[in-house]
Amino acid sequence: AQSVAQPEDQVNVAEGNPLTVKCTYSVSGNPYLFWYVQYPNRGLQFLLKYITGDNLVKGSYGFEAEFNKSQTSFHLKKPSALVSDSALYFCAVRDGAANFNKFYFGSGTKLNVKP
Amino acid sequence: DAGVTQSPTHLIKTRGQQVTLRCSPKSGHDTVSWYQQALGQGPQFIFQYYEEEERQRGNFPDRFSGHQFPNYSSELNVNALLLGDSALYLCASSLGGRNTEAFFGQGTRLTVV
Repeated sequence: AQSVAQPEDQVNVAEGNPLTVKCTYSVSGNPYLFWYVQYPNRGLQFLLKYITGDNLVKGSYGFEAEFNKSQTSFHLKKPSALVSDSALYFCAVRDGAANFNKFYFGSGTKLNVKP
Repeated sequence: DAGVTQSPTHLIKTRGQQVTLRCSPKSGHDTVSWYQQALGQGPQFIFQYYEEEERQRGNFPDRFSGHQFPNYSSELNVNALLLGDSALYLCASSLGGRNTEAFFGQGTRLTVV
């Protein structure tokens, strides 16, 4: 079975500081991992994905994520946070054993970036 | 290029009623999935449609049903509404394949009173 855990309900960071939003996963096959961001009363926006290849994945808006197979983690990072990054972030794993898009989402982490 | 569009954006229904939500996928996408996002939680997979057929279903009762049309648009129907059905319903479209990301609509906020 596939699952994702986001151990932090909320992350607080000052503008200009680096940020990390944590995600660990459990999959039965190869992991297909994604990060999405959700602004209030909006749908989910795709940030980045890991399918295969380099462990450091670069995405939209300056975000990147590091895939660590031994720790089964896929943490989201950004070198310098902006106030506008404040939102709800979801890590997701796709059922890699199937030939269709079914995502398992974590419970979300609220990122607060303070000026 | 229009993204995923959902209608309506908000809806208020009474317990026991039926509701239909609509979704138009991103241009070029042939696969539509529906998710339910309860307040404070991550989205939960309801079902997916591809080639006008339900391809897989999550852990939702038969009160939840759907349809996909030849133009790939989709509907989600919920019968005998319960208070617990109040949630944000998200439609996601993708191109039927293993490694593609899904694009989400803005969602329909359903409130059951």
